[in-house]
Amino acid sequence: EPEVTQTPSHQVTQMGQEVILRCVPISNHLYFYWYRQILGQKVEFLVSFYNNEISEKSEIFDDQFSVERPDGSNFTLKIRSTKLEDSAMYFCASTRQNDQPQHFGDGTRLSIL
Amino acid sequence: QKEVEQNSGPLSVPEGAIASLNCTYSDRGSQSFFWYRQYSGKSPELIMSIYSNGDKEDGRFTAQLNKASQYVSLLIRDSQPSDSATYLCAVNKGAQKLVFGQGTRLTINP
Repeated sequence: EPEVTQTPSHQVTQMGQEVILRCVPISNHLYFYWYRQILGQKVEFLVSFYNNEISEKSEIFDDQFSVERPDGSNFTLKIRSTKLEDSAMYFCASTRQNDQPQHFGDGTRLSIL
Repeated sequence: QKEVEQNSGPLSVPEGAIASLNCTYSDRGSQSFFWYRQYSGKSPELIMSIYSNGDKEDGRFTAQLNKASQYVSLLIRDSQPSDSATYLCAVNKGAQKLVFGQGTRLTINP
């Protein structure tokens, strides 16, 4: 069964550094998402992406965040200048239609030191 | 009022019994409803989706939706120790995002 793949599984970065999290959505999916989950808290929406542009973003997704689909398969989340509070699990998800179930990748654990 | 509300638990159920998980949501415009299972340190895994009022069954799982009461539930029959996890209720408001509840931690006791 096709799945969403994310790399790396764990990223450790110094505060203030840039980090790029990578995702390969399921190949025939058209809608792509990033969520984050701080330890012990709920899963929170960051951004949705369709037709090569952001469809919606949350208040969390400020100017330090950006997303890109650099080619036909990858979908990336960049955090320009990381803060301690960016430490969380980051999940990529995709779906073929926006009212259909979203399929999640295994996540990237981001640790900011 | 929280957009999606769940009892955080923990909910403890004996093996073989029925586990009942509940969720309420605040936005009447919500259109699609999902239950995800999340094991500790892992990603959300889709269990059930439901779009219209009534019951939807899939194996040991039954999702129930009541839009008038803004209520979604998940029943797990013949609970197994492997069902022990956190169950996340998620609501799609027609906007391009899922809103998650806090999750209910379920423990199945052998």
